[in-house]
Amino acid sequence: GAGVSQSPSNKVTEKGKDVELRCDPISGHTALYWYRQSLGQGLEFLIYFQGNSAPDKSGLPSDRFSAERTGGSVSTLTIQRTQQEDSAVYLCASRTSGGFQNYGYTFGSGTRLTVV
Amino acid sequence: GNSVTQMEGPVTLSEEAFLTINCTYTATGYPSLFWYVQYPGEGLQLLLKATKADDKGSNKGFEATYRKETTSFHLEKGSVQVSDSAVYFCALPGSGNTGKLIFGQGTTLQVKP
Repeated sequence: GAGVSQSPSNKVTEKGKDVELRCDPISGHTALYWYRQSLGQGLEFLIYFQGNSAPDKSGLPSDRFSAERTGGSVSTLTIQRTQQEDSAVYLCASRTSGGFQNYGYTFGSGTRLTVV
Repeated sequence: GNSVTQMEGPVTLSEEAFLTINCTYTATGYPSLFWYVQYPGEGLQLLLKATKADDKGSNKGFEATYRKETTSFHLEKGSVQVSDSAVYFCALPGSGNTGKLIFGQGTTLQVKP
């Protein structure tokens, strides 16, 4: 598609439920990133995919968080047994491979997750 | 690891006022530095970047100079407009060769007519 698409745009869930957040990157973008934007916390890196593999998962806050990417395209971020502190905007970004000086990310508009 | 500190907001200015948003960083070596902007309801967009010390990035009337002596990358604009109202993030690369970015906390700018 023309941009990075994330769904749903808004999600309200009850504490303890599992949620899945979807990211559809720009076609041909091999690198994909998930970030979390919490009130007062800025943007935190969660996980990086190159193709279908995730060489950097260092930002995942707990084992309740997991992510996968299939076909080098769509990625799903899953949060199990959601807690109120998981409430945030989850952002996805993709970019082409190439020199890191480029950093030509395209960000999606995010999924706003509210855990009640 | 690399880190960035950004002035807290919100910043409220009148139209045509001068804008400065402070950003300082801690890093190994001299990484590229970035400013991203998030307009209401939209995803982050790259506003400007500087890839080496003393470089000046500029776009849409905004400027930032990479100053290694003060480890700073302050964002400036001489005359802000209502349409500049947004959240601004300073960023630099994280450790490792993954292309991930480390962001500041963001500064909300509100420009009043």
